[in-house]
Amino acid sequence: SQQGEEDPQALSIQEGENATMNCSYKTSINNLQWYRQNSGRGLVHLILIRSNEREKHSGRLRVTLDTSKKSSSLLITASRAADTASYFCATADPFPNDYKLSFGAGTTVTVRA
Amino acid sequence: EAQVTQNPRYLITVTGKKLTVTCSQNMNHEYMSWYRQDPGLGLRQIYYSMNVEVTDKGDVPEGYKVSRKEKRNFPLILESPSPNQTSLYFCASSFWGGAHNEQFFGPGTRLTVL
Repeated sequence: SQQGEEDPQALSIQEGENATMNCSYKTSINNLQWYRQNSGRGLVHLILIRSNEREKHSGRLRVTLDTSKKSSSLLITASRAADTASYFCATADPFPNDYKLSFGAGTTVTVRA
Repeated sequence: EAQVTQNPRYLITVTGKKLTVTCSQNMNHEYMSWYRQDPGLGLRQIYYSMNVEVTDKGDVPEGYKVSRKEKRNFPLILESPSPNQTSLYFCASSFWGGAHNEQFFGPGTRLTVL
């Protein structure tokens, strides 16, 4: 199965700044999801964007999807110390393999006070 | 409270000693899966289950077994653990359709095999 690749691997920003990270994948997808993981803990779902959607918002989060470029971006606006975490994209292949979710290696975000 | 629980949270064992990591969810989810997380490799799916008595291999199933006798439980079994199975393990569940929906993750089990 395919695996998304996040870029950059690590990101350090000042509190209040925006953070942008990207995810690229190899084959067509059914949907793409973003998750957050605080150090060593379970992943928490942030946003799911379907292949026929181009942009989605949730609070300070904005996700875009460009299926022609096979890429997605996650923007966190007005970052806070609590946003310090690793962020993962996950892709679901189209039917009939849409029961499998493949994760990338993640982007580690550090928000400095 | 809706949640996925895993036990134990931490485990140190020796090569070859059979162990089971339990996973339970209270959300009536049909889909459950196991992942392992290793530095630089992200999460890799071990096994998943679409429903009771329906399981299938993920990307890294070697050395693991699972069973799904009840909807809420999905234990991960290591019959003969080896040091390369030292990892952080996560159980996850979701409503029908698996990857169509958000996954709810457990807190993780950190396993060390000596």
